[in-house]
Amino acid sequence: GNSVTQMEGPVTLSEEAFLTINCTYTATGYPSLFWYVQYPGEGLQLLLKATKADDKGSNKGFEATYRKETTSFHLEKGSVQVSDSAVYFCALADNYGQNFVFGPGTRLSVLP
Amino acid sequence: DARVTQTPRHKVTEMGQEVTMRCQPILGHNTVFWYRQTMMQGLELLAYFRNRAPLDDSGMPKDRFSAEMPDATLATLKIQPSEPRDSAVYFCASGAEAGAYNEQFFGPGTRLTVL
Repeated sequence: GNSVTQMEGPVTLSEEAFLTINCTYTATGYPSLFWYVQYPGEGLQLLLKATKADDKGSNKGFEATYRKETTSFHLEKGSVQVSDSAVYFCALADNYGQNFVFGPGTRLSVLP
Repeated sequence: DARVTQTPRHKVTEMGQEVTMRCQPILGHNTVFWYRQTMMQGLELLAYFRNRAPLDDSGMPKDRFSAEMPDATLATLKIQPSEPRDSAVYFCASGAEAGAYNEQFFGPGTRLTVL
């Protein structure tokens, strides 16, 4: 079945550091890929998405590129801020709309 | 600004009591999801509805949990009887069926504590 694997957390960085959170997936066909973010005490919200191979999703300085050859969708940001502290979830939806799978989440803490 | 609403936001109850959580999906969305989030298990899918019909509730303990959509504007998740291990944050999410692009919009969650 479909699955998503994320790097274990927590990840702790200093402000302005470079961020990478790895995500790899297993799926049949051509899934859509997503990064969701959950701030403390809130529900998940979509951060960015990519619907086909080589697409790059971007939002709020975050980027992720859909790499079909490596089945990856790593999240990156060039300079993190304290306000980026949250839990980040990688997710996929299969192209039949029947399955939506979330990864376990990676907690990011950014220190001033 | 369309958003998913959930009530109540917080619920504290005693073991054995019935708990009902409600969700109003975004108008026009035809898929609804119920998730449970705990520190130990992370985010677990409990039930999934499309056009008000349950498509997948394999993640839900059938003996005590039930999920329904009495109409397109209301989804409910009931626990009867509740147990301390049910303590968690329960999220509802809705989406518009659009082929391979199935973004979900999450509500703020119901934090349930069963004593």
